[in-house]
Amino acid sequence: DGGITQSPKYLFRKEGQNVTLSCEQNLNHDAMYWYRQDPGQGLRLIYYSQIVNDFQKGDIAEGYSVSREKKESFPLTVTSAQKNPTAFYLCASRLTGEAEAFFGQGTRLTVV
Amino acid sequence: EDQVTQSPEALRLQEGESSSLNCSYTVSGLRGLFWYRQDPGKGPEFLFTLYSAGEEKEKERLKATLTKKESFLHITAPKPEDSATYLCAVHRLGAGGTSYGKLTFGQGTILTVHP
Repeated sequence: DGGITQSPKYLFRKEGQNVTLSCEQNLNHDAMYWYRQDPGQGLRLIYYSQIVNDFQKGDIAEGYSVSREKKESFPLTVTSAQKNPTAFYLCASRLTGEAEAFFGQGTRLTVV
Repeated sequence: EDQVTQSPEALRLQEGESSSLNCSYTVSGLRGLFWYRQDPGKGPEFLFTLYSAGEEKEKERLKATLTKKESFLHITAPKPEDSATYLCAVHRLGAGGTSYGKLTFGQGTILTVHP
């Protein structure tokens, strides 16, 4: 089945640690996105990538980093510079030229 | 800057009580407006894309419409299983008429349908 897989579903981070969230898609989509969702707020764009080896900052990129070495994969690293990382993180992809985005099931990150 | 505002923030309906959700937007060069459904703890599920004013799309009890300033998601005779958060998002053209790639989301409307 084609789709977007995010892992892990739940992630706990200690203060000062970097953690990496995985996002893999087998839809052959060119563009991939990372969003953050906080209670009572909509989705806010962290980073997006429209082709391999290229990515752009979204609205809230500070404290995050990404890479796009393969078309299928777009991992997100939450660094220790992100002061309030507890949130629900969503990865999405879309076929360039088609507008709708398809989402993974999310990773819930909690700082302990 | 693109802006998307959804209202109401929360809506409680009785089963069978039809209503509408609103999505107001400010964006230059609208490429498309999207509706998604999100269940608690899950990723958003795509519902509709609308491209131009006057366009309508339907799926079961849901109907989405679009004007130049807003979109409505009409829910006819809702059932408890329609309870979810409904998200609206816009996609605009980039420089030179190319696809910009960025989707801007509203904050969502939490719909609860009571039996």
